Amino acid sequence: AQSVAQPEDQVNVAEGNPLTVKCTYSVSGNPYLFWYVQYPNRGLQFLLKYITGDNLVKGSYGFEAEFNKSQTSFHLKKPSALVSDSALYFCAVRDWGTDKLIFGTGTRLQVFP
Amino acid sequence: NAGVTQTPKFRILKIGQSMTLQCTQDMNHNYMYWYRQDPGMGLKLIYYSVGAGITDKGEVPNGYNVSRSTTEDFPLRLELAAPSQTSVYFCASSQTGQGNNQPQHFGDGTRLSIL
Repeated sequence: AQSVAQPEDQVNVAEGNPLTVKCTYSVSGNPYLFWYVQYPNRGLQFLLKYITGDNLVKGSYGFEAEFNKSQTSFHLKKPSALVSDSALYFCAVRDWGTDKLIFGTGTRLQVFP
Repeated sequence: NAGVTQTPKFRILKIGQSMTLQCTQDMNHNYMYWYRQDPGMGLKLIYYSVGAGITDKGEVPNGYNVSRSTTEDFPLRLELAAPSQTSVYFCASSQTGQGNNQPQHFGDGTRLSIL
């Protein structure tokens, strides 16, 4: 069965520093991977996706994600964090068996001024 | 530019009561979804619909019902509310199915407490 894991419940980073939010996946076919962000009292917003092609995917708000097939990872990154980036981040993977998205449990990013 | 609209935003129910969570989208999307979000658990799919008149169960459908009479609306019904249904409920829509890799557009959620 397909699955996705976000090993960190919370990530803390100082404003201006680079940030990484980790995601690993397990799929039986080609991995289709997504990142979503959730701000307080709001629904999820799509950030970026990896389907095929370049391993470095660029998305909204200056975020990017690096696909690593050998490590089965799809980590979200940003070169310089902003306080406004503080939110809950979800990684998701397509389940080939059910054709649905499977979401991770989420990682709370806290950026300190 | 409304997108996906959910009502109500908050609701408190007593055990055994019933209610309908409303969801409407103005993007003419074929696919619509209902999720519940529990702390530390991510999102779980309750029901989904691939078009008007067609619905199907997701991962956690027990205790819920849905209907899809129009493209725009996808209400979620709780018939006999139970404390285990205390959660935040999100409706989402997409132009094509999740398997076609189209991003989903989410509403802002309904926070439901059952006491």
